[in-house]
Formats: sequence, structure tokens, C-alpha cells
Amino acid sequence: GQQVMQIPQYQHVQEGEDFTTYCNSSTTLSNIQWYKQRPGGHPVFLIQLVKSGEVKKQKRLTFQFGEAKKNSSLHITATQTTDVGTYFCAGTGRGSTLGRLYFGRGTQLTVWP
Amino acid sequence: GAVVSQHPSRVICKSGTSVKIECRSLDFQATTMFWYRQFPKQSLMLMATSNEGSKATYEQGVEKDKFLINHASLTLSTLTVTSAHPEDSSFYICSASRGRDTEAFFGQGTRLTVV
Repeated sequence: GQQVMQIPQYQHVQEGEDFTTYCNSSTTLSNIQWYKQRPGGHPVFLIQLVKSGEVKKQKRLTFQFGEAKKNSSLHITATQTTDVGTYFCAGTGRGSTLGRLYFGRGTQLTVWP
Repeated sequence: GAVVSQHPSRVICKSGTSVKIECRSLDFQATTMFWYRQFPKQSLMLMATSNEGSKATYEQGVEKDKFLINHASLTLSTLTVTSAHPEDSSFYICSASRGRDTEAFFGQGTRLTVV
């Protein structure tokens, strides 16, 4: 079945350092979405990438979708303590059930002041 | 404001009792909703797909008689944990989307503790 792998599982950085999390799918995806879950909270949508090779930016966050639409990355420049949380990638497969997402295991980011 | 509302946010119940969790889409109709379970510091594990007007589709390993799902209207899905045991203690979250390949809106989650 469809699998989405995400690394690293944990990342601890000093405030101001950069952070990157990577996702890789076993099959070609229709699109990939990224979510952030704060401690004790629920996942909140960040962005969706649809096109092959697509790059999108949100302030200090840069999202990339691979040319083969099987991998993606999220890069945060100059992390801040407000970036703390778990970042999940989630892909949708072609022909999959409406709204069915395949989640990576998440990367838990800790930022030390 | 919240697009998907989940209730209750926390519940403590005695072993052997049943607990119902509600998930509502507030400003759109959702023919499909999803129920996840999340263990501490782990990813979201899809339990089942809730289909309006028909039976839910359960993921492999999830007991359908244990986790009853009802999706009686286009804005409400319920998950009932029957005969709860301490190992059922977990964080349960629902989600719904407005359409295919669009963002998922998650409920606030329900922290279930079975004592």
C-alpha cells in the first residue's frame, strides 16, 4: 500500500539555526500537504503542493515538491521558539478516497532559546 | 473560527463503559470524514473512513465492533468507543475536507482516558 516516510523523527536546534524535514513516498502523489501540530493541539494546514518541482514560500518556510512527485521537503530558515511543534507531510494518491491522506510519521522540532 | 468541531475535548470514563465522540463540519457538507488515533509523540493513525449514509470503511487491524462509526448526516459523524478499556486511552481526532485534493480540517481532538 501507499507509504509516506518522513525524516528525521526528532530535531533539536538552537534558535536561529535552520531546520529541514524530508518526506518520501513509495508511489507518485497527486499532491502533498504539510501540517503543523503544536504540543497538545491538533494538526493545522500549512500548504499544499501540486505541481512537479513546485516551490512555495511562506515567510521563513520553504516547501518543495520533487520532480517525480514522490518527495518533498520543508525548510525553516532561522528558527524561532514559535516554530516548536511536530511537522507532518501528507500525500494524496491518484484515485484515492476523497480527502484520504497518507501521513508521514512527523518531525518533532524543539527550538532552544 | 473552527471549520470542524469535535466534542468532547476531554473525557474520563470507567472501564467497560462506552464513550461517544462527535465531529461536525460547521460550514460545509462532508460526505466523507476521517477518524484518527494518535499515541503520544507519534503520527496520526487512520482508523476509519466515515461515509455519509453508508457503512464506514475500517483500516486493517481496527475492530469495527469496538469503534462504532455513524455518519447520519452531511455534517455529523460520531465515533463510539464501546466497552472501553485502559488500552483505548488515546487522542482521537477527526478530519474533513471541502473537496478532493484540498486541505483537511481537523477537529480539536478528544483526549480519552479510561480508568
